[in-house]
Amino acid sequence: DAKTTQPNSMESNEEEPVHLPCNHSTISGTDYIHWYRQLPSQGPEYVIHGLTSNVNNRMASLAIAEDRKSSTLILHRATLRDAAVYYCIQPLLTGNQFYFGTGTSLTVIP
Amino acid sequence: DGGITQSPKYLFRKEGQNVTLSCEQNLNHDAMYWYRQDPGQGLRLIYYSQIVNDFQKGDIAEGYSVSREKKESFPLTVTSAQKNPTAFYLCASQGQGPRGYTFGSGTRLTVV
Repeated sequence: DAKTTQPNSMESNEEEPVHLPCNHSTISGTDYIHWYRQLPSQGPEYVIHGLTSNVNNRMASLAIAEDRKSSTLILHRATLRDAAVYYCIQPLLTGNQFYFGTGTSLTVIP
Repeated sequence: DGGITQSPKYLFRKEGQNVTLSCEQNLNHDAMYWYRQDPGQGLRLIYYSQIVNDFQKGDIAEGYSVSREKKESFPLTVTSAQKNPTAFYLCASQGQGPRGYTFGSGTRLTVV
């Protein structure tokens, strides 16, 4: 089963770092971990992806555990615009499809 | 700019009518997907297509139909057989490489 496990919701104060965890214990050695986020009434947007080593881009950082069974999306300074549902995804075995669960709903407190 | 366009953004349908949602991409992606999202829920896969003239059912295909006559286009028809069609519909495409999906902005369908 290629479903990941994330907390349903998290809160963060504005301008503080946020660490969003994800468990993906069934991931294969060649599957990338992807993170997307969805703002209200919009389609999900790409945030970051990685395979083994930690990754950084202008939006976030991705820390991947050494055994690859978990990862953490890091928003270095949360803003109100970061309030969204964050999805952690690994591809399904067939057709390279992505399974989107309910994700983590992030609330940013001013 | 390359991207994926869904239209219309809002759509109202009377019970018993078929309605078609448009999805167009200019990213030269081979694979395209349709998802349905209900309030507070994740995305559920309706149909997907990995190549022109070929498509497969997803988890909730009943009451929906698709076609893939062109690489750029993957329209979704919500038929009268779909008993609860009111939802937010999302189209996505995927190219080669590990980056993943590009999503459209969605179509909100309401049955009146």
